[in-house]
Amino acid sequence: QKEVEQNSGPLSVPEGAIASLNCTYSDRVSQSFFWYRQYSGKSPELIMSIYSNGDKEDGRFTAQLNKASQYVSLLIRDSQPSDSATYLCAVKRWGAQKLVFGQGTRLTINP
Amino acid sequence: SQTIHQWPATLVQPVGSPLSLECTVEGTSNPNLYWYRQAAGRGLQLLFYSVGIGQISSEVPQNLSASRPQDRQFILSSKKLLLSDSGFYLCAWRTSGTEAFFGQGTRLTVV
Repeated sequence: QKEVEQNSGPLSVPEGAIASLNCTYSDRVSQSFFWYRQYSGKSPELIMSIYSNGDKEDGRFTAQLNKASQYVSLLIRDSQPSDSATYLCAVKRWGAQKLVFGQGTRLTINP
Repeated sequence: SQTIHQWPATLVQPVGSPLSLECTVEGTSNPNLYWYRQAAGRGLQLLFYSVGIGQISSEVPQNLSASRPQDRQFILSSKKLLLSDSGFYLCAWRTSGTEAFFGQGTRLTVV
């Protein structure tokens, strides 16, 4: 079982709709969770971090964490074509020095 | 503010040639430094990380090595490149308790 799993997609969403991206992780002592966006040919950029159970909102983005079920999700409201990218989920274990990344989900927003 | 510099942006090298990629961070002290590799259409694979000068942890046995001669300098090297070393190489930094931030990346093609 991979430490961090994401559906590789592609996920196609019409413009203006809500895009839902999911990530599951295997290590119960995971502490910190991050979502990165990566445009084709570019390096990943941080969108959001979340550390506690529940929802965290930042503009059109909402991260949701459920430690009991070991999943973290990212919702993008009012999706725009500029949101088309690969979204990477990353997890940091308690006491660890490194982030473990999922394979990424490729999201396409259709005008 | 903190910035990370990574160079070169692109590199084409013949099989069997040496490699040296350099990454430097500005605006922070004693960062954790990371080298990731991303194969085409794939997720991020952690290669090496360092928590201090001269301290290197290797994640995957391979044809590469890393060094940290100064606090904010991280170098990825190879004595003889293989075709399988092609990929997108990313340097990242983080400090304790924070997320990771990436450099612009080096796209390496071994021919």
